[in-house]
Amino acid sequence: QSALTQPRSVSGSPGQSVTISCTGTSSDVGGYYYVSWYQQHPGKAPKLMIYDVTERPSGVPDRFSGSKSGNTASLTISGLQAEDEADYHCCSYAGTYSYVFGTGTKVTVL
Amino acid sequence: EVQLVQSGAEVKKPGESLKISCKGSGYNFRSYWIAWVRQMPGEGLEWMGFIYPDDSDTKYSPSFQGQVTISADKSISTAYLQWSNLKASDTAIYYCARLLTTSGVFDYWGQGSLVSVSS
Repeated sequence: QSALTQPRSVSGSPGQSVTISCTGTSSDVGGYYYVSWYQQHPGKAPKLMIYDVTERPSGVPDRFSGSKSGNTASLTISGLQAEDEADYHCCSYAGTYSYVFGTGTKVTVL
Repeated sequence: EVQLVQSGAEVKKPGESLKISCKGSGYNFRSYWIAWVRQMPGEGLEWMGFIYPDDSDTKYSPSFQGQVTISADKSISTAYLQWSNLKASDTAIYYCARLLTTSGVFDYWGQGSLVSVSS
């Protein structure tokens, strides 16, 4: 199973919006409504930010939102803040007891 | 508060064996799958496999089947990841994570265990 494709890096100024894409196939992203996103600060464990494409766990700011179209899922961060600078990883269900993560994207706040 | 606390960093030589642990607290450990996820230096995350502590039902990613062993001891709320023949390419940070649903929602993560393998 190949990793989902994410851009290596994206950047934006404080207050701007950035969108991270996560491209898979019809066997993973395109086939299920089960995409999640994880934020990882340097030296820290990943943190769940979005699940089931669009759902936010309790405590995650509403400036984080998710969407999906075809084989590509997206994470949008609106009103970018300094603390949003981190790595972001997508993950998709890929069939019975099978999952695939993305290649990871570094978000830089300029 | 849900917590997953992992064992500390390890430095090993190629060919050696190793078992790292992940202790859960703050929830019914037996009733949630525990997954193991690898992160090689400077790379993304890779799902390795997971276990259901109540009956030790275990699923492996094809990429890791036969390379590692996942186990659990429900009596002490602890999951394990084990190698019998370490390679330099096993050098990575290994995370355990609670799998909220089998659709792939990893909602709580351990702090990570760094495994370094070098001659």
